[in-house]
Amino acid sequence: AQSVAQPEDQVNVAEGNPLTVKCTYSVSGNPYLFWYVQYPNRGLQFLLKYITGDNLVKGSYGFEAEFNKSQTSFHLKKPSALVSDSALYFCAVRDPGNQKVTFGIGTKLQVIP
Amino acid sequence: NAGVTQTPKFRVLKTGQSMTLLCAQDMNHEYMYWYRQDPGMGLRLIHYSVGEGTTAKGEVPDGYNVSRLKKQNFLLGLESAAPSQTSVYFCASSYSGGSHEQYFGPGTRLTVT
Repeated sequence: AQSVAQPEDQVNVAEGNPLTVKCTYSVSGNPYLFWYVQYPNRGLQFLLKYITGDNLVKGSYGFEAEFNKSQTSFHLKKPSALVSDSALYFCAVRDPGNQKVTFGIGTKLQVIP
Repeated sequence: NAGVTQTPKFRVLKTGQSMTLLCAQDMNHEYMYWYRQDPGMGLRLIHYSVGEGTTAKGEVPDGYNVSRLKKQNFLLGLESAAPSQTSVYFCASSYSGGSHEQYFGPGTRLTVT
């Protein structure tokens, strides 16, 4: 069975500071990993994904994520947070043999001006 | 491209009433999904489809039915609505499974009284 955990309900960061949103996963094989962002009253938008290759993945809006196989983590990062980054962030995992994607419960990111 | 669209955007039902939510995508995607989003629970998969004429159960299928008669449309039905089905419903589509990301609609906010 595949699962994903986002251990923080909320992350607060000052504008201009680096941000990290944590995600850990469990799958039986090599995972496909995704990050999505949801702004208020909107659907989820795809940010980035890890399939294979370089452990550091770059995505939209200056976000990046680092795949760490030994720690089964896929943390989302950004060097300098913007107030407009405030949103709900979802990590998701798919075992390549599975038709379904499992989403985490989401982490609310609050960037303080 | 409209992407993924959902109809209606809002709906209030009385307990026992029925309704159908419509999802349409214009990206020629094979896979389509219905999720519900509840506070503290993240996204939970209700039903999904891996191609025209196929459907499968997700994590929380009870009380819902689906149909995919046309590749571009995925319908979610509630035969006898219950207050526990009060939620925000999201439709999503993807090119296929595996490493492909999902594209989400704007959501339908359903209240059952």
